[in-house]
Amino acid sequence: DAGITQSPRYKITETGRQVTLMCHQTWSHSYMFWYRQDLGHGLRLIYYSAAADITDKGEVPDGYVVSRSKTENFPLTLESATRSQTSVYFCASREGLAGGYEQYFGPGTRLTVT
Amino acid sequence: SQELEQSPQSLIVQEGKNLTINCTSSKTLYGLYWYKQKYGEGLIFLMMLQKGGEEKSHEKITAKLDEKKQQSSLHITASQPSHAGIYLCGAGGLISYNTDKLIFGTGTRLQVFP
Repeated sequence: DAGITQSPRYKITETGRQVTLMCHQTWSHSYMFWYRQDLGHGLRLIYYSAAADITDKGEVPDGYVVSRSKTENFPLTLESATRSQTSVYFCASREGLAGGYEQYFGPGTRLTVT
Repeated sequence: SQELEQSPQSLIVQEGKNLTINCTSSKTLYGLYWYKQKYGEGLIFLMMLQKGGEEKSHEKITAKLDEKKQQSSLHITASQPSHAGIYLCGAGGLISYNTDKLIFGTGTRLQVFP
């Protein structure tokens, strides 16, 4: 199916564990993004990627690692999960840079760190 | 500090009433997106405004971009329970037209009761 998917949709993990959230898009969009959504903070950009093997930090990158070996995948890894990383994570993709391109969002992953 | 401020943060209206949500930027707006999020779900694209003075409508939702005021407004006419959700404005190009970072407001939670 065409679109942008995220897995898992729900995840519970313990403090200190490594966890990877997956994001896959079928449009071959160049740009992909990871956001986290928290009450009182709205959506905040964690990392983004302009193309395969090109990534850059967003507003809140600490504690996260990303990679993009293939255009269609953009996994987000929490190397040692902390309770402050409990959040809903959204992946998004976009064809181009300029303001005229629509940004599509995945359904989200709800992560709870205990 | 937050570069996009939405107001109000929360809105409760009776079905059939009109309402307006505002999104104000602290910097020049080069483009603005409106998204809707149903509780516990992903973001759904509503519309995108690119030029000052631009106005777009989709069903009973109208959005305008006032470049001089650095503000966009989203107006819903004759609200229905299906309009309930969180409305988010997002802006790209807060620094220049070509930027890959889409920044979001904190959202407006809308409830519509019969």
